[in-house]
Amino acid sequence: RKEVEQDPGPFNVPEGATVAFNCTYSNSASQSFFWYRQDCRKEPKLLMSVYSSGNEDGRFTAQLNRASQYISLLIRDSKLSDSATYLCVVNWRQGGKLIFGQGTELSVKP
Amino acid sequence: DTAVSQTPKYLVTQMGNDKSIKCEQNLGHDTMYWYKQDSKKFLKIMFSYNNKELIINETVPNRFSPKSPDKAHLNLHINSLELGDSAVYFCASSQEGQLPYEQYFGPGTRLTVT
Repeated sequence: RKEVEQDPGPFNVPEGATVAFNCTYSNSASQSFFWYRQDCRKEPKLLMSVYSSGNEDGRFTAQLNRASQYISLLIRDSKLSDSATYLCVVNWRQGGKLIFGQGTELSVKP
Repeated sequence: DTAVSQTPKYLVTQMGNDKSIKCEQNLGHDTMYWYKQDSKKFLKIMFSYNNKELIINETVPNRFSPKSPDKAHLNLHINSLELGDSAVYFCASSQEGQLPYEQYFGPGTRLTVT
């Protein structure tokens, strides 16, 4: 089983759509959880950290279920500029390596 | 005022050569990393250093040698380059302290070995 698994992509959605990404992780001792965004030929950039209570940043909502070892990202009112690869990322400890999922590609069409 | 910078951005070289990639961060972070992103876009850790001390060394050929002259710099030297070393190499940094321990990435070095 992969350490971090994501929905296979790509997701092709029209502008204005709501899209949800799911992710599971294998290590129950994981401490930190993130969604990173990677544009084509660019570096991964932190989109948001994910907290147990769930958190929201504008159109983006992240949820964490530690019991199920499950992370989600919801994007509401998709924009063309949301087109990118979304990476589910887990960190086991401070100063530790980030463990990346394989990424889910999102393409938002006019 | 780039936070994490890498040089060069592109590197094309022949098999058997030795090359170095440099990384610098001006965030005052304690820990720096090297990641490799292969042709299938999968990102994997190679090394990490905390205050110039090696703390993570994944299963990487010993042709790869990281060097950290100070906590703001982490360089990667690669000996006897092979075709399979072609990839994008990302440097990252993070600050020890409170959760959630996010890491910030440099722009990447695209290495092509011919």
